[in-house]
Amino acid sequence: TQLLEQSPQFLSIQEGENLTVYCNSSSVFSSLQWYRQEPGEGPVLLVTVVTGGEVKKLKRLTFQFGDARKDSSLHITAAQPGDTGLYLCAGEDNTNAGKSTFGDGTTLTVKP
Amino acid sequence: NAGVTQTPKFQVLKTGQSMTLQCAQDMNHNSMYWYRQDPGMGLRLIYYSASEGTTDKGEVPNGYNVSRLNKREFSLRLESAAPSQTSVYFCASSVLGQPNQPQHFGDGTRLSIL
Repeated sequence: TQLLEQSPQFLSIQEGENLTVYCNSSSVFSSLQWYRQEPGEGPVLLVTVVTGGEVKKLKRLTFQFGDARKDSSLHITAAQPGDTGLYLCAGEDNTNAGKSTFGDGTTLTVKP
Repeated sequence: NAGVTQTPKFQVLKTGQSMTLQCAQDMNHNSMYWYRQDPGMGLRLIYYSASEGTTDKGEVPNGYNVSRLNKREFSLRLESAAPSQTSVYFCASSVLGQPNQPQHFGDGTRLSIL
């Protein structure tokens, strides 16, 4: 069974601060996706990273896939209250295309 | 475009009762999934259907059954509900045959077993 560990589990910061959340595994993934989930709703895709070492930017969010495709990070610059939510990473393995393993998530609270 | 629709949104059951959670997608996706989400435990896969006519067990299938009724619909059944099945249930769908495709989620069914 492939496992994804996310850290930290909870993060509470002030508006304007920067933060990084991590997603780590001992397994190699063909791709890794980051989702954001708001209370009462389902997860919504933010980004998919595929190539080892890949960096993708989405406005103030920067996503990086590790060189060995076992880990990823999400960095938020100048966080805003609207960034508050649960951030989930999910890895797709080569052997079972379409089936993903989800991490336990990082709950982010950005205070105004 | 509704995406993935789950019904009902909320349900309270007594221990031992049965219930079917419904899920339908209008994106012509081949693959569909059922997850449960518990506090601090992320999403755990219950069952999935890679394509119409096939279903497979996920990480936590015990106590559940599924039916892939057609390409659009994938239902989850609790035959004899137990308090341990109190959770938020999410249905998702994705394109089959193409790697790195995201899953599209419904808004969930909040189920309480008393």
